Amino acid sequence: QKEVEQDPGPLSVPEGAIVSLNCTYSNSAFQYFMWYRQYSRKGPELLMYTYSSGNKEDGRFTAQVDKSSKYISLFIRDSQPSDSATYLCAMSAVGDDKIIFGKGTRLHILP
Amino acid sequence: DGGITQSPKYLFRKEGQNVTLSCEQNLNHDAMYWYRQDPGQGLRLIYYSQIVNDFQKGDIAEGYSVSREKKESFPLTVTSAQKNPTAFYLCASSKTPRGNQPQHFGDGTRLSIL
Repeated sequence: QKEVEQDPGPLSVPEGAIVSLNCTYSNSAFQYFMWYRQYSRKGPELLMYTYSSGNKEDGRFTAQVDKSSKYISLFIRDSQPSDSATYLCAMSAVGDDKIIFGKGTRLHILP
Repeated sequence: DGGITQSPKYLFRKEGQNVTLSCEQNLNHDAMYWYRQDPGQGLRLIYYSQIVNDFQKGDIAEGYSVSREKKESFPLTVTSAQKNPTAFYLCASSKTPRGNQPQHFGDGTRLSIL
């Protein structure tokens, strides 16, 4: 079983819809969870950063962590064509010196 | 404006040639990282450095070399020993080398074989 699993997509949704992006993981020691957005031919950009379980909201984005299920989600409300990108989840454990990345989900928002 | 600058944006390598990718940061971050990104493979860690004059191998270090002589700079050399160098290379940095610090990325260098 891979440490971090993420559906590669592509995921296509109409403009204005709520988008749900997910990752599962196997290492129960992970405590820090991140979501990155990567546009084509660009580097990943940090969107959300959360510690342990719970929700965090920033504008149209909500990050959710369920440690009991080893499952994290990113919700995008009122999706826009400019949200079309690849979204990578990432996570690490206390004391680790590396972050483990998912392979990314390609998202297309259809105008 | 603080950030990470990678150059060049595109690079071509001839057979048997070594090439060096530049990465500079002005964020005053201690840790720096090099990743390789291939389609469908995600990010794979090549090398990382937690402090000046020190670096560690990542998961795919063979055929690559790095140096960290200054805090701001972490160049990556792709040697002729790397037989499949065509990829998108990303440099990142974090405030400290601990996993509780998120990494910030440059905009990458795309390397191709001539």
